[in-house]
Amino acid sequence: EVQLVESGGGLVQPGGSLRLSCEASGFSFSKYWMSWVRQAPGKGREWVANIKEDGGEKFYVDSVKGRFTISRDNAKMSVYLQMNSLRAEDTAVYYCARETKDSSLPDVWGQGTTVTVSS
Amino acid sequence: AIQMTQSPSSLSASVGDRVTITCRASQGIGNDLGWYQQKTGKAPKLLIYAASSLQSGVPSRFSGSGSGTDFTLTISSLQPEDFATYYCLQDYNYPFTFGQGTKLEIK
Repeated sequence: EVQLVESGGGLVQPGGSLRLSCEASGFSFSKYWMSWVRQAPGKGREWVANIKEDGGEKFYVDSVKGRFTISRDNAKMSVYLQMNSLRAEDTAVYYCARETKDSSLPDVWGQGTTVTVSS
Repeated sequence: AIQMTQSPSSLSASVGDRVTITCRASQGIGNDLGWYQQKTGKAPKLLIYAASSLQSGVPSRFSGSGSGTDFTLTISSLQPEDFATYYCLQDYNYPFTFGQGTKLEIK
């Protein structure tokens, strides 16, 4: 079964850091781009970042550039999101997703991990 | 960033109805658009990619059309399991951007 399982969310103070992890199973992880997408309470989904199969290319939404870093470890079939200098507006459920081979659209999603930035 | 304007935000319809949801891009995106269905508590399901290509396993009552700036998702004959929230996503350029979503409810 193709599956993505996120972890690492929690409550953090403004200015703090968190590292989200996403472990994949059931597919050839190293052959797919991977993404992070978030959804703030009461708001729509926002694409956050993605990373190429070999980690050689990474892209970010402007609001997280310089604060968030996406990375991956193909041997561990995992993708990560290091989040620094967190702000209240980063509060959201963060989803890991696999992009299709035919496009850059996510076709497999995890269930999400909740990040709350509050003092 | 490209803005995706989705309409309507909510829609009431009956089983058997034909339903159309639209997304308009703030600039041309070719056919780099997908449509998703999401039910409460479940992961999104990719229905359509490249504006009009049906994702494997998706019923043929779902179809997509459009290119450039205007796109539509059509459900030809609503089934009970189709009541959900639908949204579009452009993957033309970074950052990828979502429409605000359309909640499809039973009339």
